[in-house]
Amino acid sequence: GAGVSQSPSNKVTEKGKDVELRCDPISGHTALYWYRQRLGQGLEFLIYFQGNSAPDKSGLPSDRFSAERTGESVSTLTIQRTQQEDSAVYLCASSPTGNEQYFGPGTRLTVT
Amino acid sequence: GEDVEQSLFLSVREGDSSVINCTYTDSSSTYLYWYKQEPGAGLQLLTYIFSNMDMKQDQRLTVLLNKKDKHLSLRIADTQTGDSAIYFCAEGGADSGAGSYQLTFGKGTKLSVIP
Repeated sequence: GAGVSQSPSNKVTEKGKDVELRCDPISGHTALYWYRQRLGQGLEFLIYFQGNSAPDKSGLPSDRFSAERTGESVSTLTIQRTQQEDSAVYLCASSPTGNEQYFGPGTRLTVT
Repeated sequence: GEDVEQSLFLSVREGDSSVINCTYTDSSSTYLYWYKQEPGAGLQLLTYIFSNMDMKQDQRLTVLLNKKDKHLSLRIADTQTGDSAIYFCAEGGADSGAGSYQLTFGKGTKLSVIP
């Protein structure tokens, strides 16, 4: 079946601009995660959605980062006033239970 | 806080076994995972082990868990060139912080397979 999809695959933006990244989870997966992977690093947790519960935002690095999810479907991650240190690959994962996480291909964000 | 450590590089000859090691600090982790990342691709869940297990085998993959030492290893038998990738160890589970199942990842081990 279809896996997790993310768009765009690549995004180049100027410092100070806002960007919006999209994640389409696997159908039926109630849990959705966003992670960030900087060059040569492991993944950093950003935010977690589970059904209609309040999201766990404990990993968001600043108030310039926000995310939304409509029900158990699409999620968008928004970064306002982008900075060069925001350059990274942003990965989305979905899970049927919370534990087995299936990752999308990521969005490579470059802030110039 | 939680920390996951892995060696950064491993080089093996085709046909040999590869052993990738990982240490973690969060003793409350419910599950421990191995993910594979090929160049330009997303993370692929390879296997995972529940924290009350010592070993799990899945075809060419063997996961060993020493909970006392907080040490996890992934053994790949008969390593092939297609196994060349970065392998990430991750811990997580129901007891992860803030009630979510967020995973804590190591920085990854780059496995190079020499033909």
